Amino acid sequence: GENVEQHPSTLSVQEGDSAVIKCTYSDSASNYFPWYKQELGKRPQLIIDIRSNVGEKKDQRIAVTLNKTAKHFSLHITETQPEDSAVYFCAASKRSGGYQKVTFGIGTKLQVIP
Amino acid sequence: EADIYQTPRYLVIGTGKKITLECSQTMGHDKMYWYQQDPGMELHLIHYSYGVNSTEKGDLSSESTVSRIRTEHFPLTLESARPSHTSQYLCASSGGKTGVDGELFFGEGSRLTVL
Repeated sequence: GENVEQHPSTLSVQEGDSAVIKCTYSDSASNYFPWYKQELGKRPQLIIDIRSNVGEKKDQRIAVTLNKTAKHFSLHITETQPEDSAVYFCAASKRSGGYQKVTFGIGTKLQVIP
Repeated sequence: EADIYQTPRYLVIGTGKKITLECSQTMGHDKMYWYQQDPGMELHLIHYSYGVNSTEKGDLSSESTVSRIRTEHFPLTLESARPSHTSQYLCASSGGKTGVDGELFFGEGSRLTVL
């Protein structure tokens, strides 16, 4: 089955600096890679995603890159702000019958220090 | 407003009690999921459903059971709760069409504590 490794598990950055979270996956059939943000005590919410036919995607201060050959993808947050503090999950997803099989990484706890 | 609702949000019960965690969605989604999340963070799939009368076990073995009698409703039941069942349970849904992967929408979670 799919295995998603995510690192680092914790990350502290100064406000205004950039943060990078990296993930690798094992199943070459995975074709959809979402990133979820979970603030303390709240539900995970999608912040950005990328499909396997795209190498990079940006949305304001966040961007995701995908290297299919190396089976790794990364989340980049620029000009970090205190409200970026949360746990971030990467995931790899593929169709398995009628079911969208999603495998999550272990999460990265990001702390942005004012 | 379209959303996914979970009740109760918090539940503290004694060992041996039967509990049902409710999950309802007004998203119009056909696929629904239950994830278990312990503090510090990892999300583990314990059940999923393609649609009405369809239920499957997830990657993480669980003593809980689920049912899907109505499209919008996906309750999770523990017949006899134990302290090892203490965790947060997150319900999710997705509406991707065949061949198209899509976003998971999560409920706010049910935090269960078994004494």
